[in-house]
Amino acid sequence: GQQVMQIPQYQHVQEGEDFTTYCNSSTTLSNIQWYKQRPGGHPVFLIQLVKSGEVKKQKRLTFQFGEAKKNSSLHITATQTTDVGTYFCAPNYGQNFVFGPGTRLSVLP
Amino acid sequence: NAGVTQTPKFQVLKTGQSMTLQCAQDMNHNSMYWYRQDPGMGLRLIYYSASEGTTDKGEVPNGYNVSRLNKREFSLRLESAAPSQTSVYFCASSEAGRGYTFGSGTRLTVV
Repeated sequence: GQQVMQIPQYQHVQEGEDFTTYCNSSTTLSNIQWYKQRPGGHPVFLIQLVKSGEVKKQKRLTFQFGEAKKNSSLHITATQTTDVGTYFCAPNYGQNFVFGPGTRLSVLP
Repeated sequence: NAGVTQTPKFQVLKTGQSMTLQCAQDMNHNSMYWYRQDPGMGLRLIYYSASEGTTDKGEVPNGYNVSRLNKREFSLRLESAAPSQTSVYFCASSEAGRGYTFGSGTRLTVV
């Protein structure tokens, strides 16, 4: 099956620091989604990116789709304890979205 | 606006027992999915149903069967549970190309 990489696997930050997670695919994607899963919870849809080079913002979260549509990133500015959780990218490889392994973010108060 | 409802929330089975996980959505979505999530890992697709009356295998279908009972309901059956099927199971629904709405999950332990 298709492989999607996410880096880093884990990230520990002090509250107020920025955080970025990267999602990389070896093949060109039609679109990509991002999800957040709080500890003990279920994944929650954040956003979908479709266009090459697209940048979308949701408050402190900035999502970017690479020009070649092979990678994507999620950047959180000035993290808060409410940002704790695992962030998954989910590229679309044609039929369904395939979830990456996720980046687990912990925020120290 | 319940979204996606899964039952049961927790279950302990003995090896060889069978059970059915239930999932229902009230958003009139065409597509429904079953995923499993193992500790520290992402979600792996077991089966999906692109529309009422159709089902297809995902990445890890062995040991499972599904039924799309109607547009609202999509059930997952374990015929003979094995310890390797200990996992958290999530049901999800969506419209084509849109974000998935997940249920709260079923935590299954097979002993």
